[in-house]
Amino acid sequence: GAVVSQHPSWVICKSGTSVKIECRSLDFQATTMFWYRQFPKQSLMLMATSNEGSKATYEQGVEKDKFLINHASLTLSTLTVTSAHPEDSSFYICSSLGPGLSTEAFFGQGTRLTVV
Amino acid sequence: AQSVTQPDIHITVSEGASLELRCNYSYGATPYLFWYVQSPGQGLQLLLKYFSGDTLVQGIKGFEAEFKRSQSSFNLRKPSVHWSDAAEYFCALNSGNTPLVFGKGTRLSVIA
Repeated sequence: GAVVSQHPSWVICKSGTSVKIECRSLDFQATTMFWYRQFPKQSLMLMATSNEGSKATYEQGVEKDKFLINHASLTLSTLTVTSAHPEDSSFYICSSLGPGLSTEAFFGQGTRLTVV
Repeated sequence: AQSVTQPDIHITVSEGASLELRCNYSYGATPYLFWYVQSPGQGLQLLLKYFSGDTLVQGIKGFEAEFKRSQSSFNLRKPSVHWSDAAEYFCALNSGNTPLVFGKGTRLSVIA
């Protein structure tokens, strides 16, 4: 199946700094990628839908200026958490639909962000 | 609106016992349904999926799920649980090329 690679797998940063998380489709072109956030022992909540070459679509309640999403190529989408605060600490997971007309989602390994 | 309900937050079963994890959904048509498993601090692994056709779906690791339209359910089953099956299980749906909507998850504990 298709492979989605997410990096880094974990990161610790200081309050006020920014952190970039990368999500790559390794063996296919991903027109659309999804970014999810998962709090401890909670489900995955969709943050935004990222489309190559256009602006991301954010879910209600997600601050677009805080969570910057860039999808500049068909194999890379990035999520930047700007001016991070401790409440941004969470598990972030990216996902992409498979190649072609696939309706199956493939997930990255996730990134554990801890803001201190 | 689309929604997924997993009624059981936590289930404990003995190793070797059978398992059934419940999933109910709300959707205007027949959705695409999925079951994922997540180990602590890890990403999600797809266990199985239902798009159409045979309502009994076989997945990896000995799991199966049955789609029941009349009950709006897609319960996950395994005849004999192994200790390595302890994890968080998520039921999810989408309508094709839309993002997945997840249930809240069911945590499975396996005891000797």
